[in-house]
Amino acid sequence: GNSVTQMEGPVTLSEEAFLTINCTYTATGYPSLFWYVQYPGEGLQLLLKATKADDKGSNKGFEATYRKETTSFHLEKGSVQVSDSAVYFCALMANQAGTALIFGKGTTLSVSS
Amino acid sequence: DTAVSQTPKYLVTQMGNDKSIKCEQNLGHDTMYWYKQDSKKFLKIMFSYNNKELIINETVPNRFSPKSPDKAHLNLHINSLELGDSAVYFCASGDRFANTEAFFGQGTRLTVV
Repeated sequence: GNSVTQMEGPVTLSEEAFLTINCTYTATGYPSLFWYVQYPGEGLQLLLKATKADDKGSNKGFEATYRKETTSFHLEKGSVQVSDSAVYFCALMANQAGTALIFGKGTTLSVSS
Repeated sequence: DTAVSQTPKYLVTQMGNDKSIKCEQNLGHDTMYWYKQDSKKFLKIMFSYNNKELIINETVPNRFSPKSPDKAHLNLHINSLELGDSAVYFCASGDRFANTEAFFGQGTRLTVV
């Protein structure tokens, strides 16, 4: 079946450090890939997405590239801020009607000043 | 102009009670979902409805019953609440045939005492 594996946290960084959160997936066909962010006490917000191989999603300084050959969608940011502290979820949606988002277990990021 | 709204935000109740969580979306989407987030932040799909038709029904106790009066609403009714039902429940909506991202509500934190 389809699944998503992301690095376990927590990830603790100082402000302006480089961030990478690894995400790999298992799926039949060509799923769409997403990163969602959950700030404390809030719901999930879409951070970025990519719908086909080699697509790069980007938003708020975050980037992720859909790598079909390595079945990966790693999240990166060149310089994190305290306000980036949140839980980050990698997710996939299979390319067929009637499916739902499948999430990784989430990675907690804590950024200190 | 909230896109996906769910009520209540917090729900504290005793074991054995029956409770409902309501969800409404004004995005014009044809598909709605219920997800459960456990204490470790893991998100798991519970149900999905498309135009009032149940299309995803994961392994969930039959004490949980979704009800969709129309495609803009998907309510979750829980009978005979148990301690293990304590979690955050998220409603979401999306476009079934576009297989794009889902939009999430703010969540309902259910605590069973």
